[in-house]
Amino acid sequence: DTEVTQTPKHLVMGMTNKKSLKCEQHMGHRAMYWYKQKAKKPPELMFVYSYEKLSINESVPSRFSPECPNSSLLNLHLHALQPEDSALYLCASSQHRGDPNYGYTFGSGTRLTVV
Amino acid sequence: DAKTTQPNSMESNEEEPVHLPCNHSTISGTDYIHWYRQLPSQGPEYVIHGLTSNVNNRMASLAIAEDRKSSTLILHRATLRDAAVYYCILYTANYGGATNKLIFGTGTLLAVQP
Repeated sequence: DTEVTQTPKHLVMGMTNKKSLKCEQHMGHRAMYWYKQKAKKPPELMFVYSYEKLSINESVPSRFSPECPNSSLLNLHLHALQPEDSALYLCASSQHRGDPNYGYTFGSGTRLTVV
Repeated sequence: DAKTTQPNSMESNEEEPVHLPCNHSTISGTDYIHWYRQLPSQGPEYVIHGLTSNVNNRMASLAIAEDRKSSTLILHRATLRDAAVYYCILYTANYGGATNKLIFGTGTLLAVQP
């Protein structure tokens, strides 16, 4: 299995809703990442997990709450989002954080629309 | 983080080679050169990486200048499926370090004409 699987593929949520994005990999990777991508812009790093512990939070608002329950699973919990949070949310994984001899494997993303 | 400079866009014809340039004049000794591409409506995809020597894999070749201040991604025979945004990224070796990040720049949008 060489994939990162993200669910759901599309999500529409209201500003008062609570929802979660899910990311799963079975490659034995020990680092996992969340990125946010607005239309026609490059992906922006949000969070980095290494060995199930949060390593980097790129000053992301608290309405985004990441969770890494185990080495294969990464969640992003969403609460009280704003319309400007509408974007493609990408999950990625890599063998080990900081090891440049391995590339990242990205999922296809969750297209989030906040109404 | 050391930065890279890429042309905003390039065009190529199908079945011809494509050379995508990247300048990284402030590269440090521990910076690896990584290339990713992002096809429409998909997540980024790892293409290739190198440190000092030229590298080949099934997707592409990477040519690195002797002073490491620039590199070129080479697609040997472009196909329509190679139309994508190509990102050149410097990734610092920092094994287990606290600050290592893969940061995307604006990339090069490659159009392939039939």
